[in-house]
Amino acid sequence: DAGITQSPRYKITETGRQVTLMCHQTWSHSYMFWYRQDLGHGLRLIYYSAAADITDKGEVPDGYVVSRSKTENFPLTLESATRSQTSVYFCASSESGDGNIQYFGAGTRLSVL
Amino acid sequence: KQEVTQIPAALSVPEGENLVLNCSFTDSAIYNLQWFRQDPGKGLTSLLLIQSSQREQTSGRLNASLDKSSGRSTLYIAASQPGDSATYLCAVSPTRDSNYQLIWGAGTKLIIKP
Repeated sequence: DAGITQSPRYKITETGRQVTLMCHQTWSHSYMFWYRQDLGHGLRLIYYSAAADITDKGEVPDGYVVSRSKTENFPLTLESATRSQTSVYFCASSESGDGNIQYFGAGTRLSVL
Repeated sequence: KQEVTQIPAALSVPEGENLVLNCSFTDSAIYNLQWFRQDPGKGLTSLLLIQSSQREQTSGRLNASLDKSSGRSTLYIAASQPGDSATYLCAVSPTRDSNYQLIWGAGTKLIIKP
């Protein structure tokens, strides 16, 4: 299916465990983004990538790691999950960074117990 | 530091009414502003994008306006329908060089009562 897909949709884990959230897009968009959304807050950018093998920190990168070996995939890893990382995570992509519209996945709801 | 505010956090209106959602931002030096719709359990969908040089954009029953000097944008929804129920978020792009780093409001949850 064309579009941007995230997996898993729901995840429960324990503090200290490593968790990887997957994001896959079929448009060959150059830019990909990871956001977190917390109740009462807008989305906050965790990391973004301008192209394969190019990644950079956003507003709240601490505790997260990303990689982008292929244009279509942009996984987000929580190296040692903490309760404060309980959130809804959204992946997005855009054709370029030049003010283009960003297209979002359906999100992953992560609970860290 | 750019901050984006959306008031009210929630709004409930009867079906058929015209309504306005508000978005304010603290720094008028923006590259563009976007309005998104978020449905429960789903991702966000871009509704309208207004470049800094534009005053408004229209799509069907939706009209978004931008007043950079006052740091405000409004999303006007005409003849509201129950299917318009969703959370609406606005996001500003601060500069051309970092225009992918959107600054987001917390959203307005809209409920249209049949």
